[in-house]
Amino acid sequence: DAGVTQSPTHLIKTRGQQVTLRCSPKSGHDTVSWYQQALGQGPQFIFQYYEEEERQRGNFPDRFSGHQFPNYSSELNVNALLLGDSALYLCASSLEPGGNTGELFFGEGSRLTVL
Amino acid sequence: DAKTTQPNSMESNEEEPVHLPCNHSTISGTDYIHWYRQLPSQGPEYVIHGLTSNVNNRMASLAIAEDRKSSTLILHRATLRDAAVYYCVRTSGNTPLVFGKGTRLSVIA
Repeated sequence: DAGVTQSPTHLIKTRGQQVTLRCSPKSGHDTVSWYQQALGQGPQFIFQYYEEEERQRGNFPDRFSGHQFPNYSSELNVNALLLGDSALYLCASSLEPGGNTGELFFGEGSRLTVL
Repeated sequence: DAKTTQPNSMESNEEEPVHLPCNHSTISGTDYIHWYRQLPSQGPEYVIHGLTSNVNNRMASLAIAEDRKSSTLILHRATLRDAAVYYCVRTSGNTPLVFGKGTRLSVIA
């Protein structure tokens, strides 16, 4: 049973460029959440997708956008990259949007470096 | 705002029990407490969660104070593979998990 898979694992971009990160959820899961983790910090919630719609959003600018496909996979897009966007981007999947009873399964992340 | 407070770091000897504390003094009646851990170069991994009663699973035990303002994650016998950052997270209703900086656990052989 494949867990959460993310691609690419590492990438380097320059300021002003755009990036797309991809996530396939754990088999059977229908909800995908994205987190940003800066070095030495805990993961910060970006947004969550369920039924192909953004259901919740954290305190991130509109440069961060996403999409969920009918097969539940998801993409995270970041436009006009800033140096501060350098981080580990984590995708997490679950069986339900709520956080109370469902456990999140995280991928190993995509490490983005912005030069 | 993580709404939980944890020590920045803790140290344990191998094969000894470890008690990782977490304060959540503003917790509401419907908030669950979740614990995740993050090993080096990996994404966070679910450990355990609970509401009011103490909980046990194959990885750990969770002891929740009677007033629910604090909780303790108990690793019964620490191994080198338990060295990680441990996050205590509270969540209510449909809200997403909000992580703080967690506790970095070092295990000494």
